[in-house]
Amino acid sequence: AQSVTQPDIHITVSEGASLELRCNYSYGATPYLFWYVQSPGQGLQLLLKYFSGDTLVQGIKGFEAEFKRSQSSFNLRKPSVHWSDAAEYFCAVGPTGANNLFFGTGTRLTVIP
Amino acid sequence: GAVVSQHPSRVICKSGTSVKIECRSLDFQATTMFWYRQFPKQSLMLMATSNEGSKATYEQGVEKDKFLINHASLTLSTLTVTSAHPEDSSFYICSAGGGAGTVNTEAFFGQGTRLTVV
Repeated sequence: AQSVTQPDIHITVSEGASLELRCNYSYGATPYLFWYVQSPGQGLQLLLKYFSGDTLVQGIKGFEAEFKRSQSSFNLRKPSVHWSDAAEYFCAVGPTGANNLFFGTGTRLTVIP
Repeated sequence: GAVVSQHPSRVICKSGTSVKIECRSLDFQATTMFWYRQFPKQSLMLMATSNEGSKATYEQGVEKDKFLINHASLTLSTLTVTSAHPEDSSFYICSAGGGAGTVNTEAFFGQGTRLTVV
């Protein structure tokens, strides 16, 4: 069965510092991988996705993620965090693409001045 | 990207009443839509898959008679929470994608509906 683990429930970083949010998945084959961001009371916005090819994926807002098959991981990174990045971040696995997504429990990011 | 509009964004209803939530794809045809539920401080869980012109497919543990889904057109799916109770209070969010059996490269999410049952 598919599952997604986001080990960090809450992360606090200083503005301008680098960020890495962890995501591990469990799936029999190489799945389709996604990172979404959710601001308070809002829906989900797609940051980036991995389907195949280059394992380093660039997304919007300066985010990137790297797929590591050997570690079953798809960690999200940003070199310099902005205060507006404070939000909830969800990693998701889609066995057949973006249909029927399995989400991690999310990581809440707090950015301090 | 494509736009999915969900309405209402917030609703408060009395226990025992029914609430309808609409999910519309504004600029594309969505043969398949998905309904998720998010309890406070938890992740999104898929409730059901809605296919245009056919019955919805519900995930295990989701009561199909309580959460009625209708996908009567290629741009509209509705979720009706019947006889709502306080434990149904949650954040409901829909997404729209391609047809079943296709590799959909991106799901477009609505803004979500915060349901509070009092």
